[in-house]
Amino acid sequence: QKEVEQNSGPLSVPEGAIASLNCTYSDRGSQSFFWYRQYSGKSPELIMFIYSNGDKEDGRFTAQLNKASQYVSLLIRDSQPSDSATYLCAVRGTGKLIFGQGTTLQVKP
Amino acid sequence: GAVVSQHPSRVICKSGTSVKIECRSLDFQATTMFWYRQFPKQSLMLMATSNEGSKATYEQGVEKDKFLINHASLTLSTLTVTSAHPEDSSFYICSAGPGGGGGNTIYFGEGSWLTVV
Repeated sequence: QKEVEQNSGPLSVPEGAIASLNCTYSDRGSQSFFWYRQYSGKSPELIMFIYSNGDKEDGRFTAQLNKASQYVSLLIRDSQPSDSATYLCAVRGTGKLIFGQGTTLQVKP
Repeated sequence: GAVVSQHPSRVICKSGTSVKIECRSLDFQATTMFWYRQFPKQSLMLMATSNEGSKATYEQGVEKDKFLINHASLTLSTLTVTSAHPEDSSFYICSAGPGGGGGNTIYFGEGSWLTVV
């Protein structure tokens, strides 16, 4: 079992819709959870992090964490074509940041 | 602006030669830096944790004699790919954060594309 799992996609949504990205992790001791966006050929950029159960909102983005289910998600409201990218879920337990394989999001105009 | 900087952004080298990639923290001291490798359409794979003033900690399966890491100061870590082969061609990315990277602020460098011909 991979430590951090994501559906590779592609996930295709129309412009203006809500995109829902999901991630599961195996280490129950994980403490912090991150979502990164990566454009092709570029380095990842942090969207947001979450460490408490529940929802955390930042602009059009909402991260949701359920530690009992070992599940973290990212919702993108009012999706824009510029949101088209690969979204990486990352989990940290004992210092190291472990990444999932990423989900490719395509937002169609 | 960037708070973690990598150099070079792109490098092409001949098979059998060595290549050094630098990672600098610009606005903070980094006692710990992390080196990742990413092959096309794959995720970031942690290669090693670079510790200032001590030996790097390598992930399972990563050859420490091939990927030499030196963290000689609080703002600079280097990754040297020795005796490079075409299969080493990849995107190498470093990351660091204030306070040893244990907090939730982690910055990534711009990445370095290595092509071995």
